[in-house]
Amino acid sequence: QVQLVESGGGLVKPGGSLRLSCAASGFTLSDYYMSWIRQAPGKGLEWISYISSSGNTIYYADSVRGRFTISRDNAKNSLYLQMNSLRAEDTAFYYCARGGIAVHGYLDYWGQGTLVSVSS
Amino acid sequence: EIVLTQSPDFQSVTPKEKVTITCRASQSIGSSLHWYQQKPDQSPKLLIKYGSQSFSGVPSRFSGSGSGTDFTLTINSLEAEDAATYYCHQSNWPLTFGGGTKVEIK
Repeated sequence: QVQLVESGGGLVKPGGSLRLSCAASGFTLSDYYMSWIRQAPGKGLEWISYISSSGNTIYYADSVRGRFTISRDNAKNSLYLQMNSLRAEDTAFYYCARGGIAVHGYLDYWGQGTLVSVSS
Repeated sequence: EIVLTQSPDFQSVTPKEKVTITCRASQSIGSSLHWYQQKPDQSPKLLIKYGSQSFSGVPSRFSGSGSGTDFTLTINSLEAEDAATYYCHQSNWPLTFGGGTKVEIK
């Protein structure tokens, strides 16, 4: 069955960096668009980045552009999010989710999330 | 950016009652509107894709309708396990989500 497992979250100081990973199983990662979505504690969902199946098309939300970098290693069936220059407002649960094949479309499977806390 | 406005923000409902949640887009998005359910301490789960298509395994009491700018999620005969927050999402770039509707069981 399709499974997505995020890791790499934790407590980091403002200005610091973290790298999140998302391990995919039960499907061929290279066939699908993938996204990162975050959710501040008690708040709503915010899409932050997606990457096409080939990796040639990448988009970011304005809130993270220039600080976060999405990437994928299809051979390792893994998706990544490199987060630099972290701010307190980046504190959230970070989810990876699977999009479509030819287009991004809906997000049909989500991981359980990993918590990133930015605090001094 | 396309803004999605959900209403109501909160709804307290008795079991077996019908629930209607609306999502209005700030501009036409065709049928690129999807609905998710998020229970406490869980990740979101897809319910409805492209406005009205049920996702695999979703109970038949959940249905969606609409196109263009106005969309509706309906839960017929609410069950206790349906207590959750429901989000709409549009998949044109940049992707956006509605603010969520929390459904509480009376």
